Amino acid sequence: AQSVAQPEDQVNVAEGNPLTVKCTYSVSGNPYLFWYVQYPNRGLQFLLKYITGDNLVKGSYGFEAEFNKSQTSFHLKKPSALVSDSALYFCAVMSMDSNYQLIWGAGTKLIIKP
Amino acid sequence: EPEVTQTPSHQVTQMGQEVILRCVPISNHLYFYWYRQILGQKVEFLVSFYNNEISEKSEIFDDQFSVERPDGSNFTLKIRSTKLEDSAMYFCASSVGQGRNQPQHFGDGTRLSIL
Repeated sequence: AQSVAQPEDQVNVAEGNPLTVKCTYSVSGNPYLFWYVQYPNRGLQFLLKYITGDNLVKGSYGFEAEFNKSQTSFHLKKPSALVSDSALYFCAVMSMDSNYQLIWGAGTKLIIKP
Repeated sequence: EPEVTQTPSHQVTQMGQEVILRCVPISNHLYFYWYRQILGQKVEFLVSFYNNEISEKSEIFDDQFSVERPDGSNFTLKIRSTKLEDSAMYFCASSVGQGRNQPQHFGDGTRLSIL
């Protein structure tokens, strides 16, 4: 069965420090990986995706994510956190075997403290 | 930047009543989706729609659910006879195409509360 795991319900980071939000996945076939962010009372906003090529993917708002095939991970990172980055972050995966349906992680609440 | 818009933002309905959730996808998009997110749980795929017909649906999308594109702009989700467990955030999404290169763009959601 295809699945996505976000092992941390919440991540707390001080402003200016680097942040990492973890994601691991389990799919058959080549994975296509996505990060979305959800601000309070808002929908899911696309951040970045990995399809193929360079394992380090850069996205919106200074975020990046690294695809690691051997560890089946796609952790979201940012070198210097901002208070405005506080939100709910969702990792999602799709593959041809999932008929390109997005399979979602449970979400990680990111709190950036001033 | 074009957005997916959903109305209403919050819908309160009595159990057993029909409800219609409305979405206006991005104008040049061809694929449309509904997802739901029960409070505290994962986002779940409900249905995808292309070329005026359902292309995929999940087990959640039973006979109580239907989707329609009544005109060139709206995409609706109808729940025929709502149950308490239908209470959730419902997200509409659209994409230019299907598959790995086409990110889905989401609306802000409709919070459905069944009493």
